[in-house]
Amino acid sequence: DQQVKQNSPSLSVQEGRISILNCDYTNSMFDYFLWYKKYPAEGPTFLISISSIKDKNEDGRFTVFLNKSAKHLSLHIVPSQPGDSAVYFCAASGNSGGSNYKLTFGKGTLLTVNP
Amino acid sequence: KAGVTQTPRYLIKTRGQQVTLSCSPISGHRSVSWYQQTPGQGLQFLFEYFSETQRNKGNFPGRFSGRQFSNSRSEMNVSTLELGDSALYLCASSFYGLREQYFGPGTRLTVT
Repeated sequence: DQQVKQNSPSLSVQEGRISILNCDYTNSMFDYFLWYKKYPAEGPTFLISISSIKDKNEDGRFTVFLNKSAKHLSLHIVPSQPGDSAVYFCAASGNSGGSNYKLTFGKGTLLTVNP
Repeated sequence: KAGVTQTPRYLIKTRGQQVTLSCSPISGHRSVSWYQQTPGQGLQFLFEYFSETQRNKGNFPGRFSGRQFSNSRSEMNVSTLELGDSALYLCASSFYGLREQYFGPGTRLTVT
């Protein structure tokens, strides 16, 4: 049972436009959400996170939105740059015993930003 | 500050053999987690260690084990390798209480 789902395996956008990556989750115990970016032959790099007490968190060109009632979060990248081309993973953790320290990942979305 | 390092970066083993992977966390980080990444399953959590104790474990068979040393370095062992164990094994570290984990480059294991 996949608790974190990224339903779009790939996304292609033009440089300068907005990229929107989506993520859905099923486990209501999740209360902390993260986005990671991964280039080939490298480990994932932490991008941005959001706690369930917030509905928006912004860091430069990156904004994460959380809709708890819909169990949905999204990552907005504005403006998109060719260097943003990578696989983006959504991850979640819960606040129940040891699950604080375990991240559950989606399968990733390959973002391609075309010049 | 140096990042998370993993050794070796690449490994080729034969079915039935065992393998040990090593991870050195970021200085000051006491939590180390291990993940398996495969094309079909994405990143899957193996286990997490803090202060030499396993705090959390994923749904992997007992052939997968780990340990952490007093200097926070961690090792992961896979015994009786199977073809399906071919994957990228990622180690991540974090400071106590922080859920943001910082990943190493991974060890690419190929089982033939």
